[in-house]
Amino acid sequence: EDQVTQSPEALRLQEGESSSLNCSYTVSGLRGLFWYRQDPGKGPEFLFTLYSAGEEKEKERLKATLTKKESFLHITAPKPEDSATYLCAVGTGNQFYFGTGTSLTVIP
Amino acid sequence: NAGVTQTPKFRILKIGQSMTLQCAQDMNHNYMYWYRQDPGMGLKLIYYSVGAGITDKGEVPNGYNVSRSTTEDFPLRLELAAPSQTSVYFCASSFSEVYGYTFGSGTRLTVV
Repeated sequence: EDQVTQSPEALRLQEGESSSLNCSYTVSGLRGLFWYRQDPGKGPEFLFTLYSAGEEKEKERLKATLTKKESFLHITAPKPEDSATYLCAVGTGNQFYFGTGTSLTVIP
Repeated sequence: NAGVTQTPKFRILKIGQSMTLQCAQDMNHNYMYWYRQDPGMGLKLIYYSVGAGITDKGEVPNGYNVSRSTTEDFPLRLELAAPSQTSVYFCASSFSEVYGYTFGSGTRLTVV
């Protein structure tokens, strides 16, 4: 059965304290792995797409990497405005499977 | 550029009532999707469409119906509302199945 698991469920960081979020997946025929950011009361906002193992994408303090079994979202020197829930999703065929997200809180 | 627009933002329904959640996009995307998001459960796909006149079931389609008569609009119909349909509903669109989605701001539905 296709599955997407994110860890940890929640993460509290001090401002400037770098860390990583994990997304592990077991799907057949991966067509893409996607990272989204979701703020409370809003729809998810697209961040990155990764298509093949070894690929990396960067945006400001965020860097996403992909292996054959998992993806990491690295957050370097986070700021309070990075606080949000980060979702990953994997695409296979016409279906997308979302993880339950990691809730990140960055404390000033 | 409005992106994906969902209406209404909030709604309370009584058990057995029906309603339509509206979704419109102005990006000329062929692919459109309806998801529901429940606490701790992640986003679950209800229905999707790959173009006008073409729709297909997702992971949790029971109790819902969709239609896609134009590229821009993808309404979701709830017939005979049940408490289990209390959720936040998101509409999304994309250029193709391997591109990231643009999500709407959601509809928070409560069935009492």
